[in-house]
Amino acid sequence: GQNIDQPTEMTATEGAIVQINCTYQTSGFNGLFWYQQHAGEAPTFLSYNVLDGLEEKGRFSSFLSRSKGYSYLLLKELQMKDSASYLCAVRSNQAGTALIFGKGTTLSVSS
Amino acid sequence: NAGVMQNPRHLVRRRGQEARLRCSPMKGHSHVYWYRQLPEEGLKFMVYLQKENIIDESGMPKERFSAEFPKEGPSILRIQQVVRGDSAAYFCASSGQGGNTIYFGEGSWLTVV
Repeated sequence: GQNIDQPTEMTATEGAIVQINCTYQTSGFNGLFWYQQHAGEAPTFLSYNVLDGLEEKGRFSSFLSRSKGYSYLLLKELQMKDSASYLCAVRSNQAGTALIFGKGTTLSVSS
Repeated sequence: NAGVMQNPRHLVRRRGQEARLRCSPMKGHSHVYWYRQLPEEGLKFMVYLQKENIIDESGMPKERFSAEFPKEGPSILRIQQVVRGDSAAYFCASSGQGGNTIYFGEGSWLTVV
């Protein structure tokens, strides 16, 4: 089977740093994606990792450890507009190039 | 997600009617994916298509649902004889060869009354 786990909810304050974890068990692995989704809107692509290590892109960074089946999304200098759901998705060989999504982590940023 | 166009954005259907959702992929993209999102749930994969081919439909319900991506024109997700449980947001995504970046459209919200 295929399973992707991430915390349901997280809270943080403006200016802080937050780390959203994602663990996965899939029949194959061909890349891990993070998306941001505001309520009632489409998911927006944030990052893609296929090799182990950290990918940095502005205030957002994503880390992958394939041996541990683990990834995290790191958000720095949090802003109110970062309040959203963050979706972890894995592309496994079994599904071709389609993505399998976790249920998402709802992040609430307060002032 | 700029460039993946979905229509209609909102659709209301009575039980038993048909719903047709359209998706035009981003320019240069030949891979299309359909996902369904129910309230408080994650995105569920339905079907993956390339031009004139269904590559993977393992997430598609066996009855009433069908999808196509013709040589010309948009991809279409068709739901026949809709029921209340079909009410959801349906998202289309597209990618180029390799699929390292997969972009989503704005979604089509189906309400069955």
